[in-house]
Amino acid sequence: GAVVSQHPSRVICKSGTSVKIECRSLDFQATTMFWYRQFPKQSLMLMATSNEGSKATYEQGVEKDKFLINHASLTLSTLTVTSAHPEDSSFYICSARDGGRGPVGYTFGSGTRLTVV
Amino acid sequence: GESVGLHLPTLSVQEGDNSIINCAYSNSASDYFIWYKQESGKGPQFIIDIRSNMDKRQGQRVTVLLNKTVKHLSLQIAATQPGDSAVYFCAEISNTGFQKLVFGTGTRLLVSP
Repeated sequence: GAVVSQHPSRVICKSGTSVKIECRSLDFQATTMFWYRQFPKQSLMLMATSNEGSKATYEQGVEKDKFLINHASLTLSTLTVTSAHPEDSSFYICSARDGGRGPVGYTFGSGTRLTVV
Repeated sequence: GESVGLHLPTLSVQEGDNSIINCAYSNSASDYFIWYKQESGKGPQFIIDIRSNMDKRQGQRVTVLLNKTVKHLSLQIAATQPGDSAVYFCAEISNTGFQKLVFGTGTRLLVSP
């Protein structure tokens, strides 16, 4: 089945530094990837939609200069949290869409727990 | 983001009971609705989907019901097992643009042996 690898699974960084999270589709090509943020005991909030070779589309209220998304190939999207602050601490999850599989084609990574100290 | 940041309600059941988890969705134009299961510290796992032109779909031990009149979705789990304990989310796929997958509020299911 479709597999999405997300790395790292956990990261602790100091305030003011930047952190990069990678999302890879291992056995399919994903023209579209999605990035979500999830705070404790809450739902997944869509941050942005990433399309291969073009600029990401951000949801309302999400700072594009703070959350840099790059989708350079059909199997890799990266999210960089720039100048991280403690309030950016959260669980970040990516999803890669295999367009040929309909609603079952959204495969999620295992998430990245970001802690900013 | 588009989903509502409310704290999760909890449904507690005994092993062997049937569980019903409910969800209200927002976009009447969505094409598909999906139920996901999320275990602690992991990404969501697909359970079952239903297309907007259907009102019921059954899988193995799970049934999804869709009521478009009141924008309501439910997931029924038969003979609930301790391994079903997790957080369950409904999600909807927009029928435009990038076909974004937007999550609704979730429900934590606790199954006691």
